[in-house]
Amino acid sequence: TQLLEQSPQFLSIQEGENLTVYCNSSSVFSSLQWYRQEPGEGPVLLVTVVTGGEVKKLKRLTFQFGDARKDSSLHITAAQTGDTGLYLCAGAPSGTYKYIFGTGTRLKVLA
Amino acid sequence: EAQVTQNPRYLITVTGKKLTVTCSQNMNHEYMSWYRQDPGLGLRQIYYSMNVEVTDKGDVPEGYKVSRKEKRNFPLILESPSPNQTSLYFCASSLRGPYNYGYTFGSGTRLTVV
Repeated sequence: TQLLEQSPQFLSIQEGENLTVYCNSSSVFSSLQWYRQEPGEGPVLLVTVVTGGEVKKLKRLTFQFGDARKDSSLHITAAQTGDTGLYLCAGAPSGTYKYIFGTGTRLKVLA
Repeated sequence: EAQVTQNPRYLITVTGKKLTVTCSQNMNHEYMSWYRQDPGLGLRQIYYSMNVEVTDKGDVPEGYKVSRKEKRNFPLILESPSPNQTSLYFCASSLRGPYNYGYTFGSGTRLTVV
């Protein structure tokens, strides 16, 4: 079974703190997407990373694709309450058209 | 505004009463998909469609039907709903497939079958 394991599963931090969320697999991915889902809403696509070692920034969010394209990380600087939500990584292992979602990280930022 | 529209947002129904959840996208996307999301199980794909009149089963297709007669619409049909189909449902679309482009998701339909 091809899995995307995310860690931590849950994270509760104070506003202003930094955090990193990880997405790991034993499979190689041609690209990975990151989504954020707020309670009761659909996931919203944040970014796609394609090249091994690639770093993309979206305001206070920094996304990195591992050199071997088996893992990715999301770093949030100076978290805000609006960052609260479920973060999902997703992608299709290379050579397949099977798009899978990660296990998710539920982030709560406290004021 | 580019979007995926699902209706209804909330639905409570009784076992066995046929229902349809509608999904429409205005982005001329070829690929559309239905997911259900359950606590502890994450997002599971029900059906997907790569283009008009082309549909295929996902991971959990039992008890569901779909059709793709037009590019913009992809309704999900539950012919005889059962309580184990109580879930949060999402329709999603992608230009040519989520592998390189990711998905645009609808806002969800929370279905309760009693």
